Amino acid sequence: GAVVSQHPSWVICKSGTSVKIECRSLDFQATTMFWYRQFPKQSLMLMATSNEGSKATYEQGVEKDKFLINHASLTLSTLTVTSAHPEDSSFYICTPPRDRAEGTEAFFGQGTRLTVV
Amino acid sequence: AQSVTQPDIHITVSEGASLELRCNYSYGATPYLFWYVQSPGQGLQLLLKYFSGDTLVQGIKGFEAEFKRSQSSFNLRKPSVHWSDAAEYFCAVGEDSWGKLQFGAGTQVVVTP
Repeated sequence: GAVVSQHPSWVICKSGTSVKIECRSLDFQATTMFWYRQFPKQSLMLMATSNEGSKATYEQGVEKDKFLINHASLTLSTLTVTSAHPEDSSFYICTPPRDRAEGTEAFFGQGTRLTVV
Repeated sequence: AQSVTQPDIHITVSEGASLELRCNYSYGATPYLFWYVQSPGQGLQLLLKYFSGDTLVQGIKGFEAEFKRSQSSFNLRKPSVHWSDAAEYFCAVGEDSWGKLQFGAGTQVVVTP
């Protein structure tokens, strides 16, 4: 099945700095990647969909200038939280589209826990 | 628009007792339904899924779920819970075979001795 790897697993940064989160597909090529965010004790919410070779699609209410998503290659999608603030502290998770050939599971990365101090 | 409702925010169950977590969905067509479990500080693990066929699906860790179209429900069950089942459980619905998911708010399960 499809496997993705996220890096870093956790990060602490100072308020005002930027943080980049990488999501790599290990054994397949992904033209699309979904990015979710989970605030403490809350559910997962879709933030945006990255697309290789084109602009990302953002969900309503997500600031595209703050959460920069780049799908640089068929195996790498990145999320950069710019000018991070404490309210951006969250669990960020990526997942590729479910592979039609192999099944319909959604394979999630292990996630990145961001803490902004 | 699709939506997922998990009516129970928190459930406490004794070890060895049965567990049922409720999930109701709203979607016009046949949805793709999932149950995930998340242990504290961890990512998501898929327990089981349904998109067609037998409405009673078996998953990992002894869990099963039943799709009831008439009730728009996809409840998760386990006959006998173990202390390791204490976690957050999320129901999710997808509108196609490959795309994004809509998650329920989650149900926190606490297992007492």
